[in-house]
Amino acid sequence: KAGVTQTPRYLIKTRGQQVTLSCSPISGHRSVSWYQQTPGQGLQFLFEYFSETQRNKGNFPGRFSGRQFSNSRSEMNVSTLELGDSALYLCASRRQANTGELFFGEGSRLTVL
Amino acid sequence: SQQGEEDPQALSIQEGENATMNCSYKTSINNLQWYRQNSGRGLVHLILIRSNEREKHSGRLRVTLDTSKKSSSLLITASRAADTASYFCATDATSGGSNYKLTFGKGTLLTVNP
Repeated sequence: KAGVTQTPRYLIKTRGQQVTLSCSPISGHRSVSWYQQTPGQGLQFLFEYFSETQRNKGNFPGRFSGRQFSNSRSEMNVSTLELGDSALYLCASRRQANTGELFFGEGSRLTVL
Repeated sequence: SQQGEEDPQALSIQEGENATMNCSYKTSINNLQWYRQNSGRGLVHLILIRSNEREKHSGRLRVTLDTSKKSSSLLITASRAADTASYFCATDATSGGSNYKLTFGKGTLLTVNP
């Protein structure tokens, strides 16, 4: 079956703009997690959604938000972009929240100029 | 903040040799997982070991877990050039009741030279 799909794969934005990233989980997976990966901070947990509800949230400012739709697809939004938001944003899905392995997409690489 | 910390940060070996990576963590866990990431790609799950398990094998991978020392190790035997990647440990810990998150370390960059 198809894996986790993230779009777009690459994007360039300027400071102050906003961006929306999309994630389609593996069919049957109801949990979607988002991570930010940078060389300096490594993989940082952003949030996890399950059945359209945010189950947990990492230590990121309110500029970072997300949502999950009834078909389990998820989007994350970053408003008022800063240079430090440049990163690889990874989405991962699994069948249930709170347990089991994560299946990752290839990521969306965001560059903020 | 990072829950797991891998050691070493980088490891370079020759093809055919074994590679050992270590992970230390701070709080009690439900399970610990190891992932692999090829440069700039998504992570791939390798193995999960539960807190009541001490050792687990999967192909050329062997993982140990010592909950008393809050540490785990990943051994890759008979390494191949294709094993070149970053390896991450991830700790599964329940935080505050049902709140849960999988927390990753900063990884070990393994280079296997042909």
